[in-house]
Amino acid sequence: QVTLRESGPALVKSTQTLTLTCSFSGFSLRTTGMCVTWIRQPPGKALEWLALIDWDDDKFYSTSLKARLTISMDTSINQVVLAMTNVDPADTATYYCARIKKVVGYGAPDYWGQGTLVTVSS
Amino acid sequence: QSVLTQPPSASATPGQRVTISCSGSSSSVGSNVVSWYKQVPGTAPKLLIDGNDQGPSGVPDRLSVSKSGTSASLAISGLQSEDEADYYCAAWDDSLNGWLFGGGTRVTVL
Repeated sequence: QVTLRESGPALVKSTQTLTLTCSFSGFSLRTTGMCVTWIRQPPGKALEWLALIDWDDDKFYSTSLKARLTISMDTSINQVVLAMTNVDPADTATYYCARIKKVVGYGAPDYWGQGTLVTVSS
Repeated sequence: QSVLTQPPSASATPGQRVTISCSGSSSSVGSNVVSWYKQVPGTAPKLLIDGNDQGPSGVPDRLSVSKSGTSASLAISGLQSEDEADYYCAAWDDSLNGWLFGGGTRVTVL
């Protein structure tokens, strides 16, 4: 059974660094083809893809946020961490982590966490 | 602004068919499979159909997908009240090396 759970601060201040953790079970990032991705959704708005890390430690970032994001993994404890620097109220959103399987290409995020709402205050 | 374009809303009466379009570019929809998600407000998105037209267990036969060039679509037939939700398309973009999502379509059952 695949499960993911996001954790992190509910409130951060502008210019601070936001650090989110995705804890997962039911799969391993030591397994070829396994990946974890982060996606966010501002209140009332659409989904926005942020970053992806795969079993081989390859990393991909949203072009518009690349300079502010860092994704990393700890395979020993089944966690993926996303750090976002210099946050702004526009970064207020529900942040989701999800699993991706790479077969030929990177497949669609299939299992998602419940999401964690982060509010950035000015 | 979302790079995959969807209509903001769609509606139909129970039992009818509703179709949601998703328009992208040659490097996204034109080159890769398109996946579709359903999101009930307040909950996480749920994968309806992945790009290989395979759905997770429990996806009803009432759903069908198609693609032509840089546009794709999702059709829901036999519309039911439980189909009221936001629907998102998604595709990998070879130029951006990342996933793109559509702006979402709110489906209302009249």
